[in-house]
Amino acid sequence: EPEVTQTPSHQVTQMGQEVILRCVPISNHLYFYWYRQILGQKVEFLVSFYNNEISEKSEIFDDQFSVERPDGSNFTLKIRSTKLEDSAMYFCASKRQIYEQYFGPGTRLTVT
Amino acid sequence: KQEVTQIPAALSVPEGENLVLNCSFTDSAIYNLQWFRQDPGKGLTSLLLIQSSQREQTSGRLNASLDKSSGRSTLYIAASQPGDSATYLCAVGANNAGNMLTFGGGTRLMVKP
Repeated sequence: EPEVTQTPSHQVTQMGQEVILRCVPISNHLYFYWYRQILGQKVEFLVSFYNNEISEKSEIFDDQFSVERPDGSNFTLKIRSTKLEDSAMYFCASKRQIYEQYFGPGTRLTVT
Repeated sequence: KQEVTQIPAALSVPEGENLVLNCSFTDSAIYNLQWFRQDPGKGLTSLLLIQSSQREQTSGRLNASLDKSSGRSTLYIAASQPGDSATYLCAVGANNAGNMLTFGGGTRLMVKP
């Protein structure tokens, strides 16, 4: 069964460094998402992406964040200058038109 | 702004019991509602999706209902098993182009053998 994959599974970085989190959505899906979950808190929406552009973003998704679909398979989230409060589990998700969103296993980002 | 609440926050039941998890949301103008399972330190596994025009969906021992006008959904688990132990998340899909999901805080379920 097709699934969303994410790399790396765990990333440790120092405050102020740039990180890129990578996702491979399910191949025939058209909508792509990033969410995050800070330890012990709710899953929060960051950004949605369709037809090679951002369709919606939350207040969390400020100028430090960017997304890209560099080729036909990858979907990336870049954080330009990480802060301690960016430490969280980051989930990528994808879906077809009206169907459910499928989530990847997540990347645990630790900022020290 | 959509707010999603799940009650109870935690539940412990003996194996074999039928149980109901509750989800409420403040804005009834939703596109769909999705129930997920999350195991500790893991990703989210989609269990059921209910479109806004539907009243319920069933998959195996799971049944989810939706009452959009009252802002409520329930997840019914029949004949619970220890393997059902996990956190169950309710997420409401926005009725816009992005269809972002707004999540509740989850119900942490423990099924004792």
